[in-house]
Amino acid sequence: DIQMTQSPSSVSASVGDRVTITCRASQTIISWLAWYQQKPGKAPKLLIHGASTLQSGVPSRFSGSGSGTDFTLTISSLQPEDFATYYCQQTNSFPLTFGGGTKVEIK
Amino acid sequence: QLHLQESGPGLVKPSETLSLTCTVSGGSVSSSSYYWGWIRQPPGKGLEWIATIYHSGSTYYNPSLKSRLSISVDTSKNQFSLRLSSLTAADTAVYYCARLAGRYYSDYWGQGSLVIVSS
Repeated sequence: DIQMTQSPSSVSASVGDRVTITCRASQTIISWLAWYQQKPGKAPKLLIHGASTLQSGVPSRFSGSGSGTDFTLTISSLQPEDFATYYCQQTNSFPLTFGGGTKVEIK
Repeated sequence: QLHLQESGPGLVKPSETLSLTCTVSGGSVSSSSYYWGWIRQPPGKGLEWIATIYHSGSTYYNPSLKSRLSISVDTSKNQFSLRLSSLTAADTAVYYCARLAGRYYSDYWGQGSLVIVSS
């Protein structure tokens, strides 16, 4: 199985800050990586697929980059509605696997 | 607009079998463009992919659960289902159904169904 390691596990930030979350795969997944946002009590929401393709309707302050084993999710200017937990998921091969999550908290 | 809705028992006893159904509206489980799957999340923890199915019947299972798992699709009812046997407290979780698009990313999710395993 491909292991996905996210860092940091949590980050405290202020509105307007630039936030970067990293996801590392235990072997190459080419560009088959998705990012999700989850708010308490809600289902995850797809933000990015294919490492860098923004899902329809997702604000452009979200961006993704990377290939191979190292990937990044960036929020360019954190908004109040962005405080949530973010997960990466490799979609290169079954079994599909998720990172452990990164909680973005208010500083 | 696509909508997925999970249905299930809510509370099941240890050693019993869980049966969950996902009803799809606004789209078809027979579509050749999509796969359908289940993901779960224990309380306060992260996401775990469980299983995925294609309308043709091709199935993919999480190896850690495979011996207890079965996923199926009913195109006549536009539903897909999950069965998980020999339940323990560790199976307590919110179970989500989802549509998988492209290279298996989940673009639509159900609201989730909390399943508690307790006697």
